[in-house]
Amino acid sequence: DTEVTQTPKHLVMGMTNKKSLKCEQHMGHRAMYWYKQKAKKPPELMFVYSYEKLSINESVPSRFSPECPNSSLLNLHLHALQPEDSALYLCASSQDWGQVVEAFFGQGTRLTVV
Amino acid sequence: AQSVTQPDIHITVSEGASLELRCNYSYGATPYLFWYVQSPGQGLQLLLKYFSGDTLVQGIKGFEAEFKRSQSSFNLRKPSVHWSDAAEYFCAVGSLSGGYQKVTFGTGTKLQVIP
Repeated sequence: DTEVTQTPKHLVMGMTNKKSLKCEQHMGHRAMYWYKQKAKKPPELMFVYSYEKLSINESVPSRFSPECPNSSLLNLHLHALQPEDSALYLCASSQDWGQVVEAFFGQGTRLTVV
Repeated sequence: AQSVTQPDIHITVSEGASLELRCNYSYGATPYLFWYVQSPGQGLQLLLKYFSGDTLVQGIKGFEAEFKRSQSSFNLRKPSVHWSDAAEYFCAVGSLSGGYQKVTFGTGTKLQVIP
């Protein structure tokens, strides 16, 4: 199984809503990532988790709150988002920490903030 | 700091024609290089990677790429394009920063395939 599964595929939320994005992998990967991709732009790294601990926060606003409940799951909690946060949110995982390896990406969640 | 340049924003090729997508990187040490493909509204799929060794790398779907250190390039090629190859292609360079893997993507090249 080389899949990274993200749910939901599409999400529309109001600026006062609270919602969560979910990411799951069963490849035994110990590093997991959240990326944000705006239209016609490359993915931009938001967070890195290593062994279920937050290792990197790329200066992401606090209205985005990541969580890693276990080694297979990664969540992104959303609260009080702005319309400019509308984007494709990609989750990825990779095998190890401390070396460069290929990352496996999910299909993404298309988020629209209204 | 590492960076990746994909000089072609958009490329159109006829089905059956050959394809070359350009990628130039900037990185101090030996780079870890990737090519990913993204279909509209989808995630990224790894086509191939170069870490070391043979500079001509074979990937999935009939793609290959050649690492040329002297030109700081990692161009992607395919001898005969299929309509299903229409997608966005991202070149990326990976490195370790503070122990974690940091991947920097180029701005992408959108491939259109015409009959």
